[in-house]
Amino acid sequence: DTGVSQDPRHKITKRGQNVTFRCDPISEHNRLYWYRQTLGQGPEFLTYFQNEAQLEKSRLLSDRFSAERPKGSFSTLEIQRTEQGDSAMYLCASSFDLRSEQYFGPGTRLTVT
Amino acid sequence: AQKVTQAQTEISVVEKEDVTLDCVYETRDTTYYLFWYKQPPSGELVFLIRRNSFDEQNEISGRYSWNFQKSTSSFNFTITASQVVDSAVYFCALSEDSGYSTLTFGKGTMLLVSP
Repeated sequence: DTGVSQDPRHKITKRGQNVTFRCDPISEHNRLYWYRQTLGQGPEFLTYFQNEAQLEKSRLLSDRFSAERPKGSFSTLEIQRTEQGDSAMYLCASSFDLRSEQYFGPGTRLTVT
Repeated sequence: AQKVTQAQTEISVVEKEDVTLDCVYETRDTTYYLFWYKQPPSGELVFLIRRNSFDEQNEISGRYSWNFQKSTSSFNFTITASQVVDSAVYFCALSEDSGYSTLTFGKGTMLLVSP
């Protein structure tokens, strides 16, 4: 039984570069969530998919951020023109349905220099 | 808007002591869900428990127990006979039935259990 996986686990990039992260949810889970966690804080919601449809986006998700979930399977989160303030842990979670618990992946730690 | 407050930033105990982590929440929904997650030093969030707003029964799972009180909007977590492996950051979270079930987390409580 595989859990949620994320790739890469660590990413160091220079300011202004684009980065893309991937999340593979638990196979039977329809819902997929992206969160961002900064040091000393709890995770903050970014966006959410039900199957391939992106149903909600947080105001934290600026125009530089885009997320996709083609075919309702894996998801990608792209950050364009990265800024130092984007440095954080990006967490992906999935759940079976509306009221089920969310299972989290190990996260992708982004450092923007 | 929903909010979760974990007033204890850091707690240090000696192994075998009991410890309670506090969680206070705010929501306007009548149907909501409360969660506890553990984040060990490795970084991956581990699901511990989910309770819905209609079930106020306390729950015990091994050394872990949870006390849900709607009257005080609290969902506290107690670890009995703490162990070094319990050292982690613990997060309380809330999701509302009307909000696509996105989780609102507290800032977390870091628990340090020393031998």
